[in-house]
Amino acid sequence: DVKVTQSSRYLVKRTGEKVFLECVQDMDHENMFWYRQDPGLGLRLIYFSYDVKMKEKGDIPEGYSVSREKKERFSLILESASTNQTSMYLCASRLSTGEQYFGPGTRLTVT
Amino acid sequence: LAKTTQPISMDSYEGQEVNITCSHNNIATNDYITWYQQFPSQGPRFIIQGYKTKVTNEVASLFIPADRKSSTLSLPRVSLSDTAVYYCLVGDKGFQAGTALIFGKGTTLSVSS
Repeated sequence: DVKVTQSSRYLVKRTGEKVFLECVQDMDHENMFWYRQDPGLGLRLIYFSYDVKMKEKGDIPEGYSVSREKKERFSLILESASTNQTSMYLCASRLSTGEQYFGPGTRLTVT
Repeated sequence: LAKTTQPISMDSYEGQEVNITCSHNNIATNDYITWYQQFPSQGPRFIIQGYKTKVTNEVASLFIPADRKSSTLSLPRVSLSDTAVYYCLVGDKGFQAGTALIFGKGTTLSVSS
């Protein structure tokens, strides 16, 4: 089975802190994605990567950056966390067939 | 990427068949239709994918009319455990660098006993 793991299920950070969310997949997928999910807004794409060191902005990249140094790992970085970045963050990886596999999510609270 | 429209919510009772329709008027020739299911506090998971006519697997059926401007996810005899959010997506099945599947708000299905 494909496995997508995220470094933390729950995270609490203070305003202004630099936050790293890590995602690892074990199926050699080229494509990886970061979404955030908020009540009433569905899943919104933050960034995605279709190869090592390659990245593309999604719908809401402001306040975020990403890193893909190795194929299996895709990191989401909040340079200076703010309270409006409190959310559920979901990582996914994708086969070329289009089916995406999601991780369990990280619920981030910024106080 | 084609935009999709689906109902915000639906209610059903155990044992009933549930049909969720998704509109995608500007679907492209190469686009496939994919449905995902999401339970609370979990990531979405793939349910079914199709291009035209009908696709069936152990979980659901997907009906796609000839014009492909809409599709219907059919869940037979739902149970309480089918309570979830269902997302309809449209996109190219083949990998294209620089593309991504776009999730909307989905349809929240509530199943009662």
